[in-house]
Amino acid sequence: IAGITQAPTSQILAAGRRMTLRCTQDMRHNAMYWYRQDLGLGLRLIHYSNTAGTTGKGEVPDGYSVSRANTDDFPLTLASAVPSQTSVYFCASSRAENQPQHFGDGTRLSIL
Amino acid sequence: GQNIDQPTEMTATEGAIVQINCTYQTSGFNGLFWYQQHAGEAPTFLSYNVLDGLEEKGRFSSFLSRSKGYSYLLLKELQMKDSASYLCAVRDSNYQLIWGAGTKLIIKP
Repeated sequence: IAGITQAPTSQILAAGRRMTLRCTQDMRHNAMYWYRQDLGLGLRLIHYSNTAGTTGKGEVPDGYSVSRANTDDFPLTLASAVPSQTSVYFCASSRAENQPQHFGDGTRLSIL
Repeated sequence: GQNIDQPTEMTATEGAIVQINCTYQTSGFNGLFWYQQHAGEAPTFLSYNVLDGLEEKGRFSSFLSRSKGYSYLLLKELQMKDSASYLCAVRDSNYQLIWGAGTKLIIKP
């Protein structure tokens, strides 16, 4: 079934550790996005990529990095996790930047 | 700054009609989206408006007034499975989505 796969589903991580959240899509969508969702707040864009080989910063990029080596994969890395990064992380993709976004099932990350 | 406002929570009765409002102030406007999100799940796309007026899709309709910075999502013939959060999002001049915090809709029998 075509879609977006995120891994892991959930993770508990010690502060200071490095963590990479994986995101893979098989819809050949050009644009991909990483969001975090916190209780009482709207989804906030962390980083995005309009096409393979390019990335851009969203609303809350500090402490996160991304890469887009190919069309299908868009990993998100926390270089040194802090408790304020505890959140649900959603990866999304769209055919183009002006098209509806389709979301993965999310990664629930807890930083202790 | 950019801002999307929608009610935090609404309650409605099974079989009834409910209207969820969304007002926005953004730097530019390139379309407004409505998404549905069940608890613990991913958001799923419901509707898209870029021109003023009403877009109808089955039991769900979405309305847009660009001059008023206003949209609403209308849900008819409510079913228990419609219990979810409804997210309003506006695409700004940079083609980035600005999201509201969502409206939690509770359906009672």
